[in-house]
Amino acid sequence: DTEVTQTPKHLVMGMTNKKSLKCEQHMGHRAMYWYKQKAKKPPELMFVYSYEKLSINESVPSRFSPECPNSSLLNLHLHALQPEDSALYLCASSQVDANTEAFFGQGTRLTVV
Amino acid sequence: AQTVTQSQPEMSVQEAETVTLSCTYDTSESDYYLFWYKQPPSRQMILVIRQEAYKQQNATENRFSVNFQKAAKSFSLKISDSQLGDAAMYFCAYRSRGDKIIFGKGTRLHILP
Repeated sequence: DTEVTQTPKHLVMGMTNKKSLKCEQHMGHRAMYWYKQKAKKPPELMFVYSYEKLSINESVPSRFSPECPNSSLLNLHLHALQPEDSALYLCASSQVDANTEAFFGQGTRLTVV
Repeated sequence: AQTVTQSQPEMSVQEAETVTLSCTYDTSESDYYLFWYKQPPSRQMILVIRQEAYKQQNATENRFSVNFQKAAKSFSLKISDSQLGDAAMYFCAYRSRGDKIIFGKGTRLHILP
């Protein structure tokens, strides 16, 4: 199983809403990532979890709150977002600290209204 | 800091022809991995090919091959016998020790029937 599963595929939320994005993998990977991707741009790294601990935070605003409840799951909690936060949010996983590739999910298309 | 540069925002190739996408990178590390990812309109980032820096032999996967020039810090992707399904954004990516994966800005590839 080389799948990374993200839910939901599409999400529309108001600026006062609270929502969560979910990501799951069963490849035994202990590094998990959140990326944000705007149209026609490369993915921008937001967070990295290594062994369920936050190892990299790329100065992301606090309205994005990541959580890694176990080695298979990664969540991104969203609160008080702005319209400019509308983007494709990609989850990925890989082996920790190893020169190997990351496997990506299909992403969640987020629209903030 | 490591950087990845893709200097061709868009390219077009006739179906069945060969096309080469360019990528250069900057690093002071000696041990690292390089990747080419494909992102079709379906959004999922798919690994096309990987290259370990310590291997001199260029990686090949069916119609996809790379020209890895370590001294020049160049990592180009050659697609032979181009097919309509090859149309996508192609991202060059770099990873060394640690869990950060850095992407270039991407090249949009059009296949002309």
